Amino acid sequence: SQKIEQNSEALNIQEGKTATLTCNYTNYSPAYLQWYRQDPGRGPVFLLLIRENEKEKRKERLKVTFDTTLKQSLFHITASQPADSATYLCALSRYNFNKFYFGSGTKLNVKP
Amino acid sequence: DTGVSQDPRHKITKRGQNVTFRCDPISEHNRLYWYRQTLGQGPEFLTYFQNEAQLEKSRLLSDRFSAERPKGSFSTLEIQRTEQGDSAMYLCASVGGRAGVEKLFFGSGTQLSVL
Repeated sequence: SQKIEQNSEALNIQEGKTATLTCNYTNYSPAYLQWYRQDPGRGPVFLLLIRENEKEKRKERLKVTFDTTLKQSLFHITASQPADSATYLCALSRYNFNKFYFGSGTKLNVKP
Repeated sequence: DTGVSQDPRHKITKRGQNVTFRCDPISEHNRLYWYRQTLGQGPEFLTYFQNEAQLEKSRLLSDRFSAERPKGSFSTLEIQRTEQGDSAMYLCASVGGRAGVEKLFFGSGTQLSVL
């Protein structure tokens, strides 16, 4: 079965720095990889989607890369702010979007 | 509010009791999903519906769990004879977005505590 790994240790960074989060997967060939943000006690909120034939996608201060050879996605937040503190989840799906498999998430703490 | 809504937000019950949760998806979304999330873990897929048809159930979903989506609108998730291991956040999501950019819209979840 598919395995999706995200760093379980919290990432602590200083405000203004770039945060980089990793999502690795095995036993799966996703067509799409998505990143979600989750705040405590709330449901995840969609941030970005990247397709298997795309190397990089940007949205404002967010950047996602997708390397299907390494089976890895990197999620970057530039000029990080304390308001970016949350848990970030990656999710994989195939072309039909029928199933979405989530990683365990990485907690980001941005200190002022 | 046109987002996904879940009710109740919190539920405390005693072991052995039955509980039922409700989810109202975004009205134009045909697909609806139930996930379970425990502390420090990502959402685990439980089941999903295309309109009123339940198309897939996870092996995680024992026969104590049942989900329905009558008329393809709201959905309910019932857990019978609850166990302490059922304590978790139960998340509902519906899928929307243009073709090729489909994404999950989650509700705020129902936090279940089984004593």
